[in-house]
Amino acid sequence: SQELEQSPQSLIVQEGKNLTINCTSSKTLYGLYWYKQKYGEGLIFLMMLQKGGEEKSHEKITAKLDEKKQQSSLHITASQPSHAGIYLCGADLGGTSYGKLTFGQGTILTVHP
Amino acid sequence: GAGVSQSPSNKVTEKGKDVELRCDPISGHTALYWYRQSLGQGLEFLIYFQGNSAPDKSGLPSDRFSAERTGGSVSTLTIQRTQQEDSAVYLCASSPGWTGELFFGEGSRLTVL
Repeated sequence: SQELEQSPQSLIVQEGKNLTINCTSSKTLYGLYWYKQKYGEGLIFLMMLQKGGEEKSHEKITAKLDEKKQQSSLHITASQPSHAGIYLCGADLGGTSYGKLTFGQGTILTVHP
Repeated sequence: GAGVSQSPSNKVTEKGKDVELRCDPISGHTALYWYRQSLGQGLEFLIYFQGNSAPDKSGLPSDRFSAERTGGSVSTLTIQRTQQEDSAVYLCASSPGWTGELFFGEGSRLTVL
């Protein structure tokens, strides 16, 4: 089984709808990172969460970390076609002080205009 | 350019041949990483460089894989005697120390026939 499980694996929504992507770890989280990838491109950093209960927002994207549940959620409000892509959560599961991350399998988001 | 540059963007090779993949990180970034992205395994850490040293090579899948970094800048990932299971997108990332953000290149897509 995966150390970092993302759900759902894929999501199709109508423009304007809200959506949530979850990321659950089987191990202690030392840091949780959300990235976005568009087809044929590298990953783009969205945000980092390090403390339990922490919540961060960037434009219409909000991410929260529930340390006790070892889980993070990414919420997009009023989705737009520009939000389409693959969302990946990455986690530091070893307590390293560098960018050795374990990634989830990704959630493919499609937004229909 | 301002971003992480990787070459070649696409490489098709025959089983048993050696391949070299190049990464040019963002100027001034001391940390450099190689990751591999494949359909079956998702995004996996391969190796971490700090300057020219590689303190973490734990993700290299076999001794056919090696990497070096020179001048604290350019890195080369070499795969010897390629196998079909080596087919994947090889992503390079760099960071200015560890701030939680990795800057990824667009990747080198390797296909082994």
